[in-house]
Amino acid sequence: QVQLQESGPGLVKTSGTLSLTCTVSGDSISRYYWAWIRQSPGKGLEWIGYVYFGGSTYYNPSLKSRVAISVDTSMNQFSLTLASVTPADTAVYYCARGVPAFDIWGQGTLVTVSS
Amino acid sequence: IQMTQSPSSLSASVGDRVTMTCRASQGISNFLAWYQQKPGKVPKLLVSAASTLQSGVPSRFSGSGSGTDFTLTISSLQPEDVATYYCQKYDSSPPGFTFGPGTKVDIK
Repeated sequence: QVQLQESGPGLVKTSGTLSLTCTVSGDSISRYYWAWIRQSPGKGLEWIGYVYFGGSTYYNPSLKSRVAISVDTSMNQFSLTLASVTPADTAVYYCARGVPAFDIWGQGTLVTVSS
Repeated sequence: IQMTQSPSSLSASVGDRVTMTCRASQGISNFLAWYQQKPGKVPKLLVSAASTLQSGVPSRFSGSGSGTDFTLTISSLQPEDVATYYCQKYDSSPPGFTFGPGTKVDIK
């Protein structure tokens, strides 16, 4: 079955860059949408952006200036970078498959931003 | 496009019929999904295309609506339905996946 797994540092320094990777198994990353979503402690879900059909991207306008999503089709992975982070970026970060609703999610990874 | 949900929270008895609403600031046809997130768990897709129940989702859940106004109904609330429910638009104009703020459901 399709599985997604997030990986990356759990702690990032303020003003640094957050980098996460999502490894996809059981499906090809060259089809559908592949998204990043986050959830700050005690808050709701916020979509960050997505890559689709092998390389095109679209970002949440509220984060667009700091976000980049890339894809490595050879590894069946896609990655998130978020620059100039602050403690407000502390959240659980999820990757998900969009068909286009998000039917498969990773388990999520907590990223804490602290000085 | 902004998504709003009401109420923000509700408390009901086991067996009650529960209805929550989601409103889009512009028409989104039926490009609307509902997710259930239990405490400490990963969100789960319940409904897509406004009314299509995902495989394995109990039939007590149903979705309806089109355009700007949508509803998720639980016909007979069960203890395992305690969760926060989020709506999400996924149409392409503009191509975003905006979530609503959620409706928290618990047992009275």
